[in-house]
Amino acid sequence: DQQVKQNSPSLSVQEGRISILNCDYTNSMFDYFLWYKKYPAEGPTFLISISSIKDKNEDGRFTVFLNKSAKHLSLHIVPSQPGDSAVYFCAATILASGAGSYQLTFGKGTKLSVIP
Amino acid sequence: GAVVSQHPSRVICKSGTSVKIECRSLDFQATTMFWYRQFPKQSLMLMATSNEGSKATYEQGVEKDKFLINHASLTLSTLTVTSAHPEDSSFYICSARVRLAGNYEQYFGPGTRLTVT
Repeated sequence: DQQVKQNSPSLSVQEGRISILNCDYTNSMFDYFLWYKKYPAEGPTFLISISSIKDKNEDGRFTVFLNKSAKHLSLHIVPSQPGDSAVYFCAATILASGAGSYQLTFGKGTKLSVIP
Repeated sequence: GAVVSQHPSRVICKSGTSVKIECRSLDFQATTMFWYRQFPKQSLMLMATSNEGSKATYEQGVEKDKFLINHASLTLSTLTVTSAHPEDSSFYICSARVRLAGNYEQYFGPGTRLTVT
């Protein structure tokens, strides 16, 4: 049972336009969400996160929106740049369960291609 | 930001042999490290959680006798794949957890590509 789902395996966007990457989750206990960017043969790099007490978090060109009632979050990249081309993973965890856990559950990823 | 290194980055071994992968936190101490595995076009799957000075906690379906984890110091965790088989070929990634400004963050290593022939 996949608790974190990224239903679009790939996305192509023109340079300068907005990229919107979506993520859905099924476990209502998740209270902290993260987005990671991954290049081939490299480990994931942290991008941005959001706590369940917020519905939006912004960092430069990256904004994450959280809709708890829909169990949905999205990552917006504006404007998109060719260097943003990578695989983006959505991840979720339950922080409230205590400091001993913080295990991340990842989606399958969405491959973003930004076309110059 | 915090840096996590892995060694080796790529290894090819013969079926039946053992391979050790090292994960180091370079500029911070990590009481907890995680080991993930990623198959092509799949998500990162958590294999085990490693706490310094204690036994690792393995996820369901991961054989602890096959994937030996040692977290002997606050900056080093090792994963040994024993009696490797071709189906163990995968991309193995470690991460280290650190507390920053009251929040826990995870930093990932660059990964190790294991190919078992």
